[in-house]
Amino acid sequence: GESVGLHLPTLSVQEGDNSIINCAYSNSASDYFIWYKQESGKGPQFIIDIRSNMDKRQGQRVTVLLNKTVKHLSLQIAATQPGDSAVYFCAEERLQAGTALIFGKGTTLSVSS
Amino acid sequence: DTGVSQNPRHKITKRGQNVTFRCDPISEHNRLYWYRQTLGQGPEFLTYFQNEAQLEKSRLLSDRFSAERPKGSFSTLEIQRTEQGDSAMYLCASSLSDQETQYFGPGTRLLVL
Repeated sequence: GESVGLHLPTLSVQEGDNSIINCAYSNSASDYFIWYKQESGKGPQFIIDIRSNMDKRQGQRVTVLLNKTVKHLSLQIAATQPGDSAVYFCAEERLQAGTALIFGKGTTLSVSS
Repeated sequence: DTGVSQNPRHKITKRGQNVTFRCDPISEHNRLYWYRQTLGQGPEFLTYFQNEAQLEKSRLLSDRFSAERPKGSFSTLEIQRTEQGDSAMYLCASSLSDQETQYFGPGTRLLVL
């Protein structure tokens, strides 16, 4: 079926390292992608988004890259901090087909000091 | 705090009881969404509203589930005759309109004994 998936369920890094979290999507019709961060017991928190007419977008310490050729999405976190420890989800939206977000299973990022 | 709010944050009930959750979206957000999240999984779409109109329901939303948004502001999600399989985090999100970012509330964690 169509779904958004992540390559690795867990990622462990040292404080100060750069982190890269990957996501693959299967539907070329998806045209809006979002990264959310979810801490234990909390709701997903918006990090950054990108539309399909772009291939890169930068925020504060975060960068999202979109490769439509291979249907790949990545989130780069610069100078990872312990506070970045959380589960990261990518989500896709097919704007012409409705507005329900489709989430992958998530990557758990653990940052050690 | 002008984010999405949900009440209660936690609910423990016995199987067969009815429960109702409330979501207050970000002010002036026209779209309101309900998702369900089970442990280790990404959120799954349940239903959404455009103002007071319920426009889409997922197949996950059985006839024991009902959602309302009577005045186009807050929304309620009711589960009748709860089952143990209903135990999950119920998340609400809102967006200004379609094709806009969805912002999530903290969720209501339901445990059915």
